[in-house]
Amino acid sequence: DTEVTQTPKHLVMGMTNKKSLKCEQHMGHRAMYWYKQKAKKPPELMFVYSYEKLSINESVPSRFSPECPNSSLLNLHLHALQPEDSALYLCASSQEGGTGELFFGEGSRLTVL
Amino acid sequence: AQSVAQPEDQVNVAEGNPLTVKCTYSVSGNPYLFWYVQYPNRGLQFLLKYITGDNLVKGSYGFEAEFNKSQTSFHLKKPSALVSDSALYFCAVTQGNTDKLIFGTGTRLQVFP
Repeated sequence: DTEVTQTPKHLVMGMTNKKSLKCEQHMGHRAMYWYKQKAKKPPELMFVYSYEKLSINESVPSRFSPECPNSSLLNLHLHALQPEDSALYLCASSQEGGTGELFFGEGSRLTVL
Repeated sequence: AQSVAQPEDQVNVAEGNPLTVKCTYSVSGNPYLFWYVQYPNRGLQFLLKYITGDNLVKGSYGFEAEFNKSQTSFHLKKPSALVSDSALYFCAVTQGNTDKLIFGTGTRLQVFP
């Protein structure tokens, strides 16, 4: 199994809602990532978990809250988002981290109304 | 800080012709360089990487890249383009020996029949 699975594929939420994005991998990878990608732009790193511990936080606003319940799962909890947070949210995993390839999911497309 | 630059927003090439997508890098220390491809509404797929060793790196789908230290470049090449190669291509660099992968701005490749 070489897949990274993200759910939901599409999410529409209001600015007062609380929702979560989920990511799962069964490759035994030790690092998991959240990236944010706006249209026609490169992915921007948000968070990295290594061995289930948060290792990189790119000064992301607190309305985004990551969680890594176990080595296969990564969540991104969303609360009080703004319309400018609308984007494609990509999850990735990697065994080797900095020197290895990342395996990406297909993304969750988020629209904030 | 580590960074990569992709000087071309779009590259157009006829099917069967060779293609080149340019990337230059700016790093302190040894560069860890990557190419990824993104098809519409999809996640990113790893193509190839340079960590050390042979300057010519071969990757997926017939792509290759040449690491040139004197020109600080890592251009992506393919001898004969296919219409199905049309996609968005990202060059990326890892910041030091960390899990932080930074993407260039991307180059849209259009291959015409």
